Amino acid sequence: AQSVTQLGSHVSVSEGALVLLRCNYSSSVPPYLFWYVQYPNQGLQLLLKYTTGATLVKGINGFEAEFKKSETSFHLTKPSAHMSDAAEYFCAVSGGTGRRALTFGSGTRLQVQP
Amino acid sequence: NAGVTQTPKFQVLKTGQSMTLQCAQDMNHEYMSWYRQDPGMGLRLIHYSVGAGITDQGEVPNGYNVSRSTTEDFPLRLLSAAPSQTSVYFCASRKGSTDTQYFGPGTRLTVL
Repeated sequence: AQSVTQLGSHVSVSEGALVLLRCNYSSSVPPYLFWYVQYPNQGLQLLLKYTTGATLVKGINGFEAEFKKSETSFHLTKPSAHMSDAAEYFCAVSGGTGRRALTFGSGTRLQVQP
Repeated sequence: NAGVTQTPKFQVLKTGQSMTLQCAQDMNHEYMSWYRQDPGMGLRLIHYSVGAGITDQGEVPNGYNVSRSTTEDFPLRLLSAAPSQTSVYFCASRKGSTDTQYFGPGTRLTVL
C-alpha cells in the first residue's frame, strides 16, 4: 500500500520569500515521487520527479525537492516566490505492485502575497 | 500530438442516468488512469489500465466501469449517476512507471 500526506492545505507567502511545501509518503517499496502543479481550471502538469539516483531533484520554474528516505519526505522548495507560483500543488507516489498507478496527496494551495 | 483529450468538458445529469466520459491519447502510452478531484481530497484513483485488455480498480471504483479495447481509448462509464458523483474527472496517461503522467483538461460533472 502507498499513501501521501501533505501538511498544510493552504500556505501563504510573500513575494520573494521562501516557498516550502511539505510531503510525507509511505510505500512498501522504494518509491517514485512526483510533484504536480494545477493552475485554476486546468489539468495537472509535472513540476519534478524522483525515481532513482540523486536525491535533490530540480524541476521547472525554479522548484526543487529532496528525497529523504530516513524521514520518508519529499518536500518542495523554491528560494523566492513569484506571483505566478500561486496554484495548487500535489505530491504523488508510485510504489507497490508494478508501480501501476499514482497515489496523490490532498494538495496544498499556495497563495503569494504582493 | 494532441496529448490526452477528454469529452465532454461539462455535463449535467439527473440521478439515475448513465453516461460515458471519453478519454483518448495519441502518445502510445500503456498506462492510463481515471481520477476524480473533490475539494480538500486531492485526486482519487477510480480505475486504471496497464495496457489494452487490462484494467484494475483504484481507490474509489464503486459506481464506475471501464474498458480498454485499444491502446488509445479508455472510457469511463457511470452506470447510474448519483449526486455523490458530482466531481471533476481527470484522465491521465504515461508510458511507463517512471515516466511523466500527462493529464487531460478534465470533465466537470454535476449530478442533480
